[in-house]
Amino acid sequence: GEDVEQSLFLSVREGDSSVINCTYTDSSSTYLYWYKQEPGAGLQLLTYIFSNMDMKQDQRLTVLLNKKDKHLSLRIADTQTGDSAIYFCAESYSGYSTLTFGKGTMLLVSP
Amino acid sequence: NAGVTQTPKFQVLKTGQSMTLQCAQDMNHNSMYWYRQDPGMGLRLIYYSASEGTTDKGEVPNGYNVSRLNKREFSLRLESAAPSQTSVYFCASSTEGPTYEQYFGPGTRLTVT
Repeated sequence: GEDVEQSLFLSVREGDSSVINCTYTDSSSTYLYWYKQEPGAGLQLLTYIFSNMDMKQDQRLTVLLNKKDKHLSLRIADTQTGDSAIYFCAESYSGYSTLTFGKGTMLLVSP
Repeated sequence: NAGVTQTPKFQVLKTGQSMTLQCAQDMNHNSMYWYRQDPGMGLRLIYYSASEGTTDKGEVPNGYNVSRLNKREFSLRLESAAPSQTSVYFCASSTEGPTYEQYFGPGTRLTVT
């Protein structure tokens, strides 16, 4: 069955890079997504990657996909206190509009 | 362009009471979703609607009903609220495939006592 797993918590210092990891089990995933949730708010789509790509870069965000190991990561360069939030990994399947979400990784950035 | 809006923002119900959570989107999306978010459980899909006039069950549909009133609006109804339904409820809508980018509302925080 489908499952998306993430580590629960990551703490970094301001200015460092953050790497948030995610593993998924379904090899038929078509797109993989990263969402950000700030306290008291809904989820905001950060970026997504097609399953036949290895990497995608968007300003401070770099997504790496290792399809063989079913491992997805989100790297945030020069992490700021405003990046403190919960980050969710999600996957979609061809022909289906629904997503499967991980339980989220809480990123805490200290000054 | 407000995106996805939800009302109310907060609600307290007594066990057995009923209520409807409202959701509307102005992005002309066909697909809409209802999720609940509980600590340690991530987001779980309650119901979704791939187009006006259609609805389908998600992972946790028991105790809920939905109505896709028109293309813009998708409501979630609790007929007889239970404490286990205390949660934060999010509505979302998405673009068409293949990317299905989902856009979320701000959520409704519901407490059932």
